[in-house]
Amino acid sequence: KQEVTQIPAALSVPEGENLVLNCSFTDSAIYNLQWFRQDPGKGLTSLLLIQSSQREQTSGRLNASLDKSSGRSTLYIAASQPGDSATYLCAVTKYSGAGSYQLTFGKGTKLSVIP
Amino acid sequence: SQTIHQWPATLVQPVGSPLSLECTVEGTSNPNLYWYRQAAGRGLQLLFYSIGIGQISSEVPQNLSASRPQDRQFILSSKKLLLSDSGFYLCAWRVWTVANTGELFFGEGSRLTVL
Repeated sequence: KQEVTQIPAALSVPEGENLVLNCSFTDSAIYNLQWFRQDPGKGLTSLLLIQSSQREQTSGRLNASLDKSSGRSTLYIAASQPGDSATYLCAVTKYSGAGSYQLTFGKGTKLSVIP
Repeated sequence: SQTIHQWPATLVQPVGSPLSLECTVEGTSNPNLYWYRQAAGRGLQLLFYSIGIGQISSEVPQNLSASRPQDRQFILSSKKLLLSDSGFYLCAWRVWTVANTGELFFGEGSRLTVL
């Protein structure tokens, strides 16, 4: 059974700092990995999607990398801003046969960027 | 462009009352549809998913049910709510195309409080 772990559970950094969020998964035979952001009381917003054949994806100040062999992904946020404060979740999709795909979420890292 | 709508956004219901949460997707065809629940301090729990009209898979046995009467409509129901049904309910969709290889998109969520 796929397990997805995000460490740390919470992180507090001063504004302007570069930071890295971690996501690890136990089964490396994944289809894709997706990073989300969730603001309090809101739905999840998709940030980046990395296919299993890709090593990284970039969007603005965000860069996500994927190392399937070691079962790890990182989300790099450059020059953090208070508006980046949110919970960040990663989710891994694995093909489970018969046209079915299984999605497993981590529990998230709650990021606070202090002005 | 594709959008997803969920309603109601907030709901307060007494124990034993019925429930109906609705989700519709626009701008795509034959999406995979999902219902998740997010309880306070806990991760995302997959409740139901559907790969087509009338095709529902249940992940967690409970007093909830789901239906998909139309291609882009997904409904979560209960005949009698329990206190433990309180939580944040999220609808999600994705399609598998060359342009969108399984990226998952979420609605804004429905906050249910059972008293």
